[in-house]
Amino acid sequence: AQTVTQSQPEMSVQEAETVTLSCTYDTSESDYYLFWYKQPPSRQMILVIRQEAYKQQNATENRFSVNFQKAAKSFSLKISDSQLGDAAMYFCAYDHGTASKLTFGTGTRLQVTL
Amino acid sequence: DSGVTQTPKHLITATGQRVTLRCSPRSGDLSVYWYQQSLDQGLQFLIQYYNGEERAKGNILERFSAQQFPDLHSELNLSSLELGDSALYFCASSVRTGGGSDTQYFGPGTRLTVL
Repeated sequence: AQTVTQSQPEMSVQEAETVTLSCTYDTSESDYYLFWYKQPPSRQMILVIRQEAYKQQNATENRFSVNFQKAAKSFSLKISDSQLGDAAMYFCAYDHGTASKLTFGTGTRLQVTL
Repeated sequence: DSGVTQTPKHLITATGQRVTLRCSPRSGDLSVYWYQQSLDQGLQFLIQYYNGEERAKGNILERFSAQQFPDLHSELNLSSLELGDSALYFCASSVRTGGGSDTQYFGPGTRLTVL
C-alpha cells in the first residue's frame, strides 16, 4: 500500500522569508501524481500544486514550487516570500495514475510570523 | 470557492442515531468522493461514485453508505453513530473517473459531532 509521510508536524517562517515543507512517500508504481493541499483555519481543502511523476521538471505555481526527487521518493514544497495568508495546515498527497483516491500525509502546520 | 457545496455545515447528534450528509458537485463533474478527517485517523478516503455508480471504496465502515443520484448530487448516510465517528466529512468532485490527472476539488466539509 502507498504511504505518505510528513515528518514535520509544525514549521514556522517569518513573513517574506522562504520555507520548505518535507514529504516522502512509498510506492512501487511508476505512474503516479503528487499533490500539496492547503487547509486554512476555514477547513477548506485547497489544491496548491500538482506534480506528475513522469515529468522531470519541477512544478511551479507563483510563489509555490516543489522539489521532486523520484529516486529518493521525496516531494518537498517551497514557499517563497511567505505571507500571513500562507498560515495553514499543508498536506502532501499521492494518487496512483489510474486510482481514484488520494492518500494523505499527516500534515504540517505552518505558522507565519511578522 | 471550489464550486462544491455540502450541507449541513455542522451537525450535532447522539450515539446510535443516523444522519445524512449531502454534497453537490461542481457543474459538469461526474465523480464524487467522500473523505473523513478525524484527529485519530487523519484524512481518509471513504468512497467514490462516478455517474451514479460506485467506482472505488476505501476504509468505509459497514455502518456507512453512500449513493449518487441522477442529478449527480451525493449523500453519505452514517448510522448507529459512535463517538469515534465525530469528524469533518469532505466531499470532492472531479470531471472524469479519477486518477491523478483528474483534479479533485473539495467542498467546505460537514462537521459531525456525536455526543
